[in-house]
Amino acid sequence: QVQLVESGGDLVRPGGSLRLSCAASEFIFSIYDMSWIRQAPGKGLEWISYVNSDGTITYYADSVKGRFTISRDNAKNSVYLQMDSVRPEDTAVYYCAREGIRPFDHWGQGTLVTVSA
Amino acid sequence: ETVLTQSPGTLSLSPGERATLSCRASQSVTSDYLAWYQQKPGQSPRLLIYGASRRATGIPDRFSGSGSGTDFTLTISRLEPEDFAVYYCQQYGSSRKFTFGGGTKVEIK
Repeated sequence: QVQLVESGGDLVRPGGSLRLSCAASEFIFSIYDMSWIRQAPGKGLEWISYVNSDGTITYYADSVKGRFTISRDNAKNSVYLQMDSVRPEDTAVYYCAREGIRPFDHWGQGTLVTVSA
Repeated sequence: ETVLTQSPGTLSLSPGERATLSCRASQSVTSDYLAWYQQKPGQSPRLLIYGASRRATGIPDRFSGSGSGTDFTLTISRLEPEDFAVYYCQQYGSSRKFTFGGGTKVEIK
């Protein structure tokens, strides 16, 4: 069964950096586009970044553009989110999600990022 | 950027009742690239409906989606106890700039 497992969430100080990982298994990772979506405590869902199946095309929400970088390694069945210059408003649970013929048909369990001094 | 507005914010209903959730887009959603997700406390979202009206794998037929253009609806024909949750609509498509609505909480009356 399809599995997406996020890791890397932690407490980080404002202005700091963090790298999130999402390990995929039980499906052909290299043919699926992937996204990162976040959810601030008690709030709704916010899509923040997308990467296509071969890693050549990326998109970002305005809220993270220039600060976050999405990448993937199809040999390792993983997608990453490099978070730089983090702000308190980046505090959230970060999910990775798979997109194929159907949108976001599988999600990971999420990893918590807390930005605080 | 397409803004999705969901209403009502909270829907208070009893098991067995019908739930009707609305999602309105600020501009037309291309090719009905509109999806609905269910999220229960402490869980990841689950895809319910895509393409405005297609049920995802394993989703019971009491869930149905309808609409086109800028107005979309998620209907739960008879609420089961496990259906009380938060529901989000989402637009997707060739732009790859996805947006979610603010969510509708369906709570037990």
